[in-house]
Amino acid sequence: DTAVSQTPKYLVTQMGNDKSIKCEQNLGHDTMYWYKQDSKKFLKIMFSYNNKELIINETVPNRFSPKSPDKAHLNLHINSLELGDSAVYFCASSQIPGPNYGYTFGSGTRLTVV
Amino acid sequence: DAKTTQPPSMDCAEGRAANLPCNHSTISGNEYVYWYRQIHSQGPQYIIHGLKNNETNEMASLIITEDRKSSTLILPHATLRDTAVYYCIVRVMTTDSWGKLQFGAGTQVVVTP
Repeated sequence: DTAVSQTPKYLVTQMGNDKSIKCEQNLGHDTMYWYKQDSKKFLKIMFSYNNKELIINETVPNRFSPKSPDKAHLNLHINSLELGDSAVYFCASSQIPGPNYGYTFGSGTRLTVV
Repeated sequence: DAKTTQPPSMDCAEGRAANLPCNHSTISGNEYVYWYRQIHSQGPQYIIHGLKNNETNEMASLIITEDRKSSTLILPHATLRDTAVYYCIVRVMTTDSWGKLQFGAGTQVVVTP
C-alpha cells in the first residue's frame, strides 16, 4: 500500500484552465502539506493542514486553494493556470510536530501548463 | 530556521562509505539537523535526524560536531540506488513548528560502479 498517494502523476493543461490534484495518506497522520518543486529543483512549502485546519499558507497566490475534507485527504485546486505554475507538486504528511521520524512524501504530480 | 551549506556534488564508488558534509554555523540550541534525499523523479525521503548526539539507523549515521556548527551524513556502503540529491536541513522542532522544512540546493551524490 502506498503511504502517500497523489493523482494524477502527470497533468498537461492549457493556460487559463482550472485543475485539481488529489492527495491521500493512509498513515493516520494528523498533518498534511503541499510542496512545490520548480525547474531549479528547489522545494518550497505551500500549505500545511492539521486535522483539516489550515496552519501554514506561504504567500501562495489566491488561485491556489487547498481543501481538506478529512485528515487523510488534502487536495489542491488551481484556478486560471499560468505558465509559471508548471512544476512538480509534492504532497506530504507527518504526525503532530515534534522530534519524530520525519515526513512522508508522495511521488509527485508533474504539472505542465502550455 | 538556520541556513545550511552543502557541496553541490560529489562522487562515490560503489561499496565505499559516502561522507556528506553540511555546515550550519548559525544553528540555534533548539534546532535539529535533518537529512532527506530525493532520488530522481521521486518524492523526498527521510533519512535521519539529530540534535546533539550522533545517531545511527538502518540507512545512515549522522555525526554532529560538538559545537553543532557542522555535521556529516555517512552512508556506510554506498550502492547505485543511493544516487540522489541529499538535503541537510536544520529547523526548530516544537509543537508550534508545523512542518516548515526549508530545502536548500542539496548535494547531488553519484555512486559509480
